[in-house]
Amino acid sequence: DAGVIQSPRHEVTEMGQEVTLRCKPISGHDYLFWYRQTMMRGLELLIYFNNNVPIDDSGMPEDRFSAKMPNASFSTLKIQPSEPRDSAVYFCASSFHGAEDEQYFGPGTRLTVT
Amino acid sequence: AQSVAQPEDQVNVAEGNPLTVKCTYSVSGNPYLFWYVQYPNRGLQFLLKYITGDNLVKGSYGFEAEFNKSQTSFHLKKPSALVSDSALYFCAVRDGGSTLGRLYFGRGTQLTVWP
Repeated sequence: DAGVIQSPRHEVTEMGQEVTLRCKPISGHDYLFWYRQTMMRGLELLIYFNNNVPIDDSGMPEDRFSAKMPNASFSTLKIQPSEPRDSAVYFCASSFHGAEDEQYFGPGTRLTVT
Repeated sequence: AQSVAQPEDQVNVAEGNPLTVKCTYSVSGNPYLFWYVQYPNRGLQFLLKYITGDNLVKGSYGFEAEFNKSQTSFHLKKPSALVSDSALYFCAVRDGGSTLGRLYFGRGTQLTVWP
């Protein structure tokens, strides 16, 4: 398996623009997680899905952020409008359904909002 | 509530010396504990986990971790550090009795191994 795939790897955009980050989880995994990593705040869980259904979105910063999982092999994280403080590395991770199962992380998308 | 504490932001050790990266946790039920490593410009990689059984868990790249229930700790160890071990290390916990899938991560410890 190719692992968790994220695109794009790098995104540079201007403040106010819409940004869409994409993730393809590992086939057969039931859970999908979106994280954000910054120097100041460390690793933050934004939202996670189980069987394509959002379970906990309490980490989503504000209404400008939205996430969808239309099917088991694809998820998006959208920021509209983007702001400079959204600059961070965004990770997608997936795991099997058991509590014993580890998460597998993608390579991340480095977002820079100018 | 579930949480993880990594009391050291940075750990520095000479190559060839043993290393320890500390982790303590808080969970209401049985803890499921994980260590991850992050190299620069990469995603987190799974190193090892404790679910049940032997308190000493062995993982990738020669790392091991010891589960201590009385001290609620899960310290990461390696007998002989390599320069290539330099990276950011994260400890994470999940309540084994919970049906929810999320992990709770610590803030990470930057390990630097100098030649």
